[in-house]
Amino acid sequence: GQQLNQSPQSMFIQEGEDVSMNCTSSSIFNTWLWYKQDPGEGPVLLIALYKAGELTSNGRLTAQFGITRKDSFLNISASIPSDVGIYFCAGQPSNTGKLIFGQGTTLQVKP
Amino acid sequence: DAGITQSPRYKITETGRQVTLMCHQTWSHSYMFWYRQDLGHGLRLIYYSAAADITDKGEVPDGYVVSRSKTENFPLTLESATRSQTSVYFCASGQGNTIYFGEGSWLTVV
Repeated sequence: GQQLNQSPQSMFIQEGEDVSMNCTSSSIFNTWLWYKQDPGEGPVLLIALYKAGELTSNGRLTAQFGITRKDSFLNISASIPSDVGIYFCAGQPSNTGKLIFGQGTTLQVKP
Repeated sequence: DAGITQSPRYKITETGRQVTLMCHQTWSHSYMFWYRQDLGHGLRLIYYSAAADITDKGEVPDGYVVSRSKTENFPLTLESATRSQTSVYFCASGQGNTIYFGEGSWLTVV
């Protein structure tokens, strides 16, 4: 089946540093979504990307939909302690509504 | 603004028992989904529904049953619970290309 490779698996950074994570796929997606999950909670949608090449920001977060439609990245600038959590990419291969998830990137921020 | 709610949030049950996890959304989204989340496997799709009375299997449907008689509800039933079904279950709903998740139901099968 289709798979997403998300990297890195985990990151431990200093407060104030920038963070970058990415997802790649062997097949094309129509939509890329980025979620954050806090402990004991459900994933919360951060950014949605709908077109190849699209670059979208949400506060300190910026995400891009790769030109090939097989990858996406998420950047977090000037990290703060509340950025701690697990970040998931998710791709939608067609208009069925189904999402395929990456394995997640666990982010820890040292104050 | 309730959005999407799941119940129960926490459940302990015995092997062989039937368990139903409820999911309710107030947005009138067409699509609804059930995922399970396990360490080392991320989020895996169990079943999904494109509209009332339309359901389809996801990656890991075995041992689960769903129904969608009303647009706003999408219950997930474990007909005979097994220990391998101990997991966190997330319901989600969406319209178009964006999907939103509930807070999760923690199920332990002993």
